[in-house]
Amino acid sequence: DIVMTQSPDSLAVSLGERATINCKSSQSVLYSSNSKNNLAWFQQKPGQPPKLLIYWASTRESGVPDRFSGSGSGTDFTLTISSLQAEDVAVYYCQQYYSTPQTFGQGTKLEIK
Amino acid sequence: EVQLVESGGGLVEPGGSLRLSCAASGFTFSVTWMSWVRQAPGKGLEWVGRMKSNPSGATADYGAPVKGRFTISRDDSKNTLYLQMNSLKVEDTAVYYCTTIAPWEISQPAGLLTYFWGQGTLVTVSS
Repeated sequence: DIVMTQSPDSLAVSLGERATINCKSSQSVLYSSNSKNNLAWFQQKPGQPPKLLIYWASTRESGVPDRFSGSGSGTDFTLTISSLQAEDVAVYYCQQYYSTPQTFGQGTKLEIK
Repeated sequence: EVQLVESGGGLVEPGGSLRLSCAASGFTFSVTWMSWVRQAPGKGLEWVGRMKSNPSGATADYGAPVKGRFTISRDDSKNTLYLQMNSLKVEDTAVYYCTTIAPWEISQPAGLLTYFWGQGTLVTVSS
């Protein structure tokens, strides 16, 4: 199984500041046939189901604000929120969908400082 | 608008069985791969399994913790996905989410990218 490890486990950032969450996979999730990394980011607010933010490591899902961006390739990935808003308080998960079983990182709790 | 509504959760004793349902609307269910993901109270997300559409063979894959005890099925005439859970354990206690799988061009090669999620149904296994 591919193990996904996020860092940090929790993060406190001031409103308007940048938030950065890292995700590392135990093996590459790069699909060579289309040169896409099968890595997604999800946002889960309290009492709600997860919401897809980014797929292919850097493609924003429709309707996701452009302050959210993803980067990375192979085994190392980053989710960046360029200017933190109050509504961004949530737990963020990375997910690899390259191979079965699909696996998630342990989650990063993002709070306002 | 895509809607996924899970039902069937509740309290069950260890060793018991439960069947969850997921009623789908707002998209063409019959050609959509579907999955179940669970979340234990205060914990992270865990993949339960995924079922392909009938045109893709209607086969299912499962995560190791549930393989041999859980079965995913679908009834395309009712636009409904099911999760039959047998030999339940205390550690199966979780909110169970039904999800669609993203279109093939995004989720290839394994068809595992969870796309739209339902609100979830709580299963509690306790004596």
